Amino acid sequence: GDSVTQMEGPVTLSEEAFLTINCTYTATGYPSLFWYVQYPGEGLQLLLKATKADDKGSNKGFEATYRKETTSFHLEKGSVQVSDSAVYFCALSSGGSNYKLTFGKGTLLTVNP
Amino acid sequence: EAGVVQSPRYKIIEKKQPVAFWCNPISGHNTLYWYLQNLGQGPELLIRYENEEAVDDSQLPKDRFSAERLKGVDSTLKIQPAELGDSAVYLCASSRNPGQGKDTQYFGPGTRLTVL
Repeated sequence: GDSVTQMEGPVTLSEEAFLTINCTYTATGYPSLFWYVQYPGEGLQLLLKATKADDKGSNKGFEATYRKETTSFHLEKGSVQVSDSAVYFCALSSGGSNYKLTFGKGTLLTVNP
Repeated sequence: EAGVVQSPRYKIIEKKQPVAFWCNPISGHNTLYWYLQNLGQGPELLIRYENEEAVDDSQLPKDRFSAERLKGVDSTLKIQPAELGDSAVYLCASSRNPGQGKDTQYFGPGTRLTVL
């Protein structure tokens, strides 16, 4: 079945540091890939997505590229801020008749000033 | 545009008691999802509705869990009776166009259930 594996946290960085959160997946067919973010006390928010190989999703300075050859969708940001502190979830949707999202376990990011 | 609304935000009950969660999706969104999120884990799908029809309830523990989506808008998820292991966050999500397979799901803030 479908699965998502993302790097375990917690990840602690200083403000303006470079961020990478690794995500790899296993899926049938050609899934769509997503990064969701969950700020403290809030629901999941879509951060970015990519629907086909080599697509790059980007939002709020975050980027991730859909790499079919390595089945990866790593999240990156060049300079993190304290306000980026949150839990980040990588997810996939296999499409077809199955529209559910399969999530990774989440990575807690803490950015210190 | 208002987001997905869930209530209550928090609920504490004793085991063997019933509990219900309510979700109002984004206006115009035909597809509604209920997810379960255990502590330290990603959400897992419980049930998906397209309009008022439950099209995927394979992960819903039907001995104690039930859900309904009357009139294809609001939805209620019920647990009866609740067990200690049901303590988790219950998330509702909605999306606009069923059938496309790549549509974005928008999540509500969730209901955090604690069973004592």
